[in-house]
Amino acid sequence: QSALTQPASVSGSPGQWLTLSCTGTSIDVGGYDSVSWYQHHPGKAPKLIIYDVTNRPSGVSFRFSGSKSGNTASLTISGLQAEDEADYYCSSFTGTSTPYVFGTGTKVTVL
Amino acid sequence: QVQLQQWGAGLLKPSETLSLTCAVYGGSFSGYYWTWLRQPPGKGLEWIGEINHSGSTNYNPSLKSRVAISVDTSKNQFSLKLSSLTAADMAMYYCARAHEQVDYYGLDVWGQGTTVTVSS
Repeated sequence: QSALTQPASVSGSPGQWLTLSCTGTSIDVGGYDSVSWYQHHPGKAPKLIIYDVTNRPSGVSFRFSGSKSGNTASLTISGLQAEDEADYYCSSFTGTSTPYVFGTGTKVTVL
Repeated sequence: QVQLQQWGAGLLKPSETLSLTCAVYGGSFSGYYWTWLRQPPGKGLEWIGEINHSGSTNYNPSLKSRVAISVDTSKNQFSLKLSSLTAADMAMYYCARAHEQVDYYGLDVWGQGTTVTVSS
């Protein structure tokens, strides 16, 4: 099972909107409404910020939102803040024996 | 609030077996898939495998021949064994929780991570 494709890096200024993409195929992202997103600060455990494509777990900022179109899922960060600087990974259900396939990761830099 | 605490030896020699344990505190042990993942230096996350409270397991096919995940429901713990280690197994290893329910796709609780080094 190949990794999902994410841009290696994205940057923005405080207050801006950023959209991160996660591209798969019809057997993963395109085939199921089962995409999750994780925020990973170096040295800490990853944190779930979006589940089931669009849902935010309790306590996650409303500035994070998720969507999907075809084989591509997206994470939007609105009102970018310095604390949002981190690595972001998407994951999709695959319907194979590996329920979680992850993206290659996007490093978000706040300018 | 559910917390996962993991431990195990972090410095191993080639061909040895990695053994990690993850304890679940503050929540139910049933209704979830208890999961192991890893992240090699500079690379992305890789799903290793999972187990539920009944002992039903799923493994990543790429690791299946070397992996064993077990559960001890009396202690609310689950464990990972990965045999025949090589340098390619060097990574940060995490335990995490996934929901068995089909309408919650995500790993919502994570352990603190264990750095595993394989060196002679």
